[in-house]
Amino acid sequence: EAGVAQSPRYKIIEKRQSVAFWCNPISGHATLYWYQQILGQGPKLLIQFQNNGVVDDSQLPKDRFSAERLKGVDSTLKIQPAKLEDSAVYLCASVGLAGVEQFFGPGTRLTVL
Amino acid sequence: SQQGEEDPQALSIQEGENATMNCSYKTSINNLQWYRQNSGRGLVHLILIRSNEREKHSGRLRVTLDTSKKSSSLLITASRAADTASYFCATAPSYDKVIFGPGTSLSVIP
Repeated sequence: EAGVAQSPRYKIIEKRQSVAFWCNPISGHATLYWYQQILGQGPKLLIQFQNNGVVDDSQLPKDRFSAERLKGVDSTLKIQPAKLEDSAVYLCASVGLAGVEQFFGPGTRLTVL
Repeated sequence: SQQGEEDPQALSIQEGENATMNCSYKTSINNLQWYRQNSGRGLVHLILIRSNEREKHSGRLRVTLDTSKKSSSLLITASRAADTASYFCATAPSYDKVIFGPGTSLSVIP
């Protein structure tokens, strides 16, 4: 079974630029999560999708962050414009219909200069 | 906050020793999960314990849950160098959502 795929693995941008991350969950997994993990901290939930609908985006900074999962499969997370404090690892996870265990991708490490 | 807090923040032990990490939380939970994160394999689910369970085992892992004290512990027995990683307690207010604590950094010295 293929795992959760994310790209790119690394991204360096300057503040005020835009960036997008892509996630392809495990096949058949209806629930998809995006997390932000700042160095030395635990992952913080940004947004949760169930199929192509948003379940929880209460912690997503909507003035600069957006996310979509148009066909209920892969998802993109965008930051526009980026700030220095957005430097973090962005993790994508998915869960199957009957499960609670989250399967994580390798993450995208974002550095904002 | 619902967030669990792990204790200690960092732990260093010799290979073969046991490692114990604790997690405390503040509000009711559906379940509690432990995850491991290292540079090689990313974030990996280790074990889940439901709110009506008191103890679970998986290989060298033992997890306990005391809902009256709102606390959990993770015991790794006979530790190996490969156990070196950060360990996160994730409290679940509902079946489909978890909130991660700041983690415990474990170093196992060969």
